[in-house]
Amino acid sequence: KAGVTQTPRYLIKTRGQQVTLSCSPISGHRSVSWYQQTPGQGLQFLFEYFSETQRNKGNFPGRFSGRQFSNSRSEMNVSTLELGDSALYLCASSLGPGQHTEAFFGQGTRLTVV
Amino acid sequence: GQQLNQSPQSMFIQEGEDVSMNCTSSSIFNTWLWYKQEPGEGPVLLIALYKAGELTSNGRLTAQFGITRKDSFLNISASIPSDVGIYFCAGQLDSNYQLIWGAGTKLIIKP
Repeated sequence: KAGVTQTPRYLIKTRGQQVTLSCSPISGHRSVSWYQQTPGQGLQFLFEYFSETQRNKGNFPGRFSGRQFSNSRSEMNVSTLELGDSALYLCASSLGPGQHTEAFFGQGTRLTVV
Repeated sequence: GQQLNQSPQSMFIQEGEDVSMNCTSSSIFNTWLWYKQEPGEGPVLLIALYKAGELTSNGRLTAQFGITRKDSFLNISASIPSDVGIYFCAGQLDSNYQLIWGAGTKLIIKP
């Protein structure tokens, strides 16, 4: 069974640009969550999608957005990039809301804004 | 928002020592998860706990779901160099199943 796949693994962008990151969940998993992790920091929750609907949202500005497709694949977009957006962006997939929902992570996309 | 208090923040230990870390919260959880993250990688699930009082082992790792459903601990016995990394706890809220994360415990093994 393939794991969670995130693309690209590494990305370098310039301030002011926008970026789109992709996440393919484990087959059969319908929930996808996104996290931002800066060096030495824990996981900051961005948002969670289930069945193409945003179910939970973290405390991030509107420049951060996401969506989920009918095949459960998800994308997140960051517009007007700032230097502080440089981070490891992690995607986690799970079966869906409900009891005993284990989340499995991809390897992440390392975004560097210059 | 909801928070998990994970401690200690970091640990410096000798190879062979036992390690203990814990997470506490004022909220009730129906699931506790423990993850390990190595540099540049995503967190990897180590142990999942589903019932209050449950004690589960995975090799040298043992984790317990607190009886009050508000805490959990992770023990590592006889630590080895590959245990180095950041350990995260995560609890799933009983109220809406949202996953809440601790800030992590960084484990460093002194040569």
